[in-house]
Amino acid sequence: QKEVEQNSGPLSVPEGAIASLNCTYSDRGSQSFFWYRQYSGKSPELIMFIYSNGDKEDGRFTAQLNKASQYVSLLIRDSQPSDSATYLCAVNSDSGYSTLTFGKGTMLLVSP
Amino acid sequence: ETGVTQTPRHLVMGMTNKKSLKCEQHLGHNAMYWYKQSAKKPLELMFVYNFKEQTENNSVPSRFSPECPNSSHLFLHLHTLQPEDSALYLCASSQEGNIGLNSPLHFGNGTRLTVT
Repeated sequence: QKEVEQNSGPLSVPEGAIASLNCTYSDRGSQSFFWYRQYSGKSPELIMFIYSNGDKEDGRFTAQLNKASQYVSLLIRDSQPSDSATYLCAVNSDSGYSTLTFGKGTMLLVSP
Repeated sequence: ETGVTQTPRHLVMGMTNKKSLKCEQHLGHNAMYWYKQSAKKPLELMFVYNFKEQTENNSVPSRFSPECPNSSHLFLHLHTLQPEDSALYLCASSQEGNIGLNSPLHFGNGTRLTVT
């Protein structure tokens, strides 16, 4: 069974610090990796995607992928209280028409 | 309107009731999905429709019945539900059935369902 693992948290960081969110996945055939942010009571929104080994930067966000270790991470620099949310890692699964397998999510709390 | 719209936002129903959840997407996408989000659990894929054809059914109980009359509309018909079915039901769409760089998943705001 394809699985995506994340620490549930909460991960607490002070404002201005770097938040590091981690995710591992079981399916070596996975091709695309996504990070969604979900505020309490809201729907998930896509913030980053990555499909090549290495780093991908977008503003304060950096996604890191290591397919050999089956590991993907999200770094948030200069964390803000507005970044407080649950971050969902999702991995592309190939089942004919591909679907996403989600982790349980990591709750991030950024204190002022 | 833009994006993915779900109605109702909240629904309380008894175990003997029949109700339907509605989803509409205004993104011109060809694939639509139903996900279930329960506390402390990952998002669970329930159904996938690609070009109106159901392509995946993840062993969902028959008390959940999807309907996709066209590429823009998706329904989830509910009957004789159980209290453990209480959850957030999320509709999503993507440009095509192959989710990836050029076809990310867009979610609606969800329907919070409570079964009493």
